[in-house]
Amino acid sequence: QVQLVESGGGVVQPGRSLRLSCAASGFTFSSNAMHWVRQAPGKGLEWVTLIWYDGTNEKYADSVKGRFTISRDNPKNTLYLQMNSLRAEDTAVYYCARGAGSGSYIIDSWGQGTLVIVSS
Amino acid sequence: DIVMTQSPDSLAVSLGERATINCKSSQNILSSSDNKNYLAWYQQKPGQPPKLLIRWASTRESGVPDRFSGSGSGTDFTLIISSLQAEDVAVYYCQQYYTAPITFGQGTRLEIK
Repeated sequence: QVQLVESGGGVVQPGRSLRLSCAASGFTFSSNAMHWVRQAPGKGLEWVTLIWYDGTNEKYADSVKGRFTISRDNPKNTLYLQMNSLRAEDTAVYYCARGAGSGSYIIDSWGQGTLVIVSS
Repeated sequence: DIVMTQSPDSLAVSLGERATINCKSSQNILSSSDNKNYLAWYQQKPGQPPKLLIRWASTRESGVPDRFSGSGSGTDFTLIISSLQAEDVAVYYCQQYYTAPITFGQGTRLEIK
């Protein structure tokens, strides 16, 4: 079955950087688009970014554009999120999620999430 | 950006009764090219990640009980749970995937009365 395991979360000071990773298994990673979605404590879901199955296209929410970068390593079945210039409002659980197809915006599987806390 | 607005924000329904959650998009999300509504519903139980219930506004995912149904078109959509079970207590989100940025509704918290 599909497994998505995030790592790399933690406490970081404002203005610093953090890189999240997501190890994928149970499906052909190189065939699916991948997403990051976040959820601030006690709040709703906010889509963050998407990368096409082959890494040739990316989309970002305005709130992270220019600060966050999504990437993937298909031979390693791993998705990444490089987060720079972090702000307090970036504090959230970050979910790695699978798109339903190669460039699909439908999110059909989710990891358990990794918590990022931006605080001094 | 397309804004998704759900109503109500919270809902309490008796076991075995019907629960209805509404979702309205600020723009039409019915594609003229394929005649599909780009709308999904997710269920999030406490301490868990979301789970996809319905895509294309009305297509249930494999394994989702048939008491869950989705309807609507264009800008107005509905999720109905026909006979509420205890395990349905959760927050429900609608999501449009018609265009980036992908956007979610604010969520509807469903509880047992």
